Amino acid sequence: DAKTTQPDSMESTEGETVHLPCSHATISGNEYIYWYRQVPLQGPEYVTHGLQQNTTNSMAFLAIASDRKSSTLILTHVSLRDAAVYHCILRTNNNNAPRFGAGTKLTVKP
Amino acid sequence: EAGVTQSPRYAVLQEGQAVSFWCDPISGHDTLYWYQQPRDQGPQLLVYFRDEAVIDNSQLPSDRFSAVRPKGTNSTLKIQSAKQGDTATYLCASSFPFSNERLFFGHGTKLSVL
Repeated sequence: DAKTTQPDSMESTEGETVHLPCSHATISGNEYIYWYRQVPLQGPEYVTHGLQQNTTNSMAFLAIASDRKSSTLILTHVSLRDAAVYHCILRTNNNNAPRFGAGTKLTVKP
Repeated sequence: EAGVTQSPRYAVLQEGQAVSFWCDPISGHDTLYWYQQPRDQGPQLLVYFRDEAVIDNSQLPSDRFSAVRPKGTNSTLKIQSAKQGDTATYLCASSFPFSNERLFFGHGTKLSVL
């Protein structure tokens, strides 16, 4: 699977909108973009995923660039509970196992 | 719906001791994964199964680590002779039997090797 690049850390304040970037310049046509988040003492939790079109759910909005070489996870009105490490990973549709990087540590200030 | 269950939650060992981790996946999930997560790093895949078959164990240190899933349900990960470098959280995850299904993770077992 192709590799992703994310900033090590980002900071926000409660109530703000946060844009978490992910670069995947060598993404293949059959690779999906997945986002998971992880808080201390727990395993990663699925947030969202997409292939080409932007997607939205109760947790976040995923914006995918038209060339698919980057994506942005958008969290609106963040709260302290959104503080976590956010992992952006790529996965093909052959049911292989996801490979995680270090992710982006999001800190939310009161 | 019950989530992925792991036990124990914590383990503390001296070097050279053995330890086993146990995982009960979500009912109906045919694929089960074991990850190792050192402090301040992302989860690293060790091995994963589809039913009872090992699909990929290329990252499992075979001289000291072993993993089984004999009936395609619960799984056990064992470290025969632990080293300080094995200190990490061991995460189990499972997913439904379709490609690209999301993974559901357990809370993990935090291992400290002294």
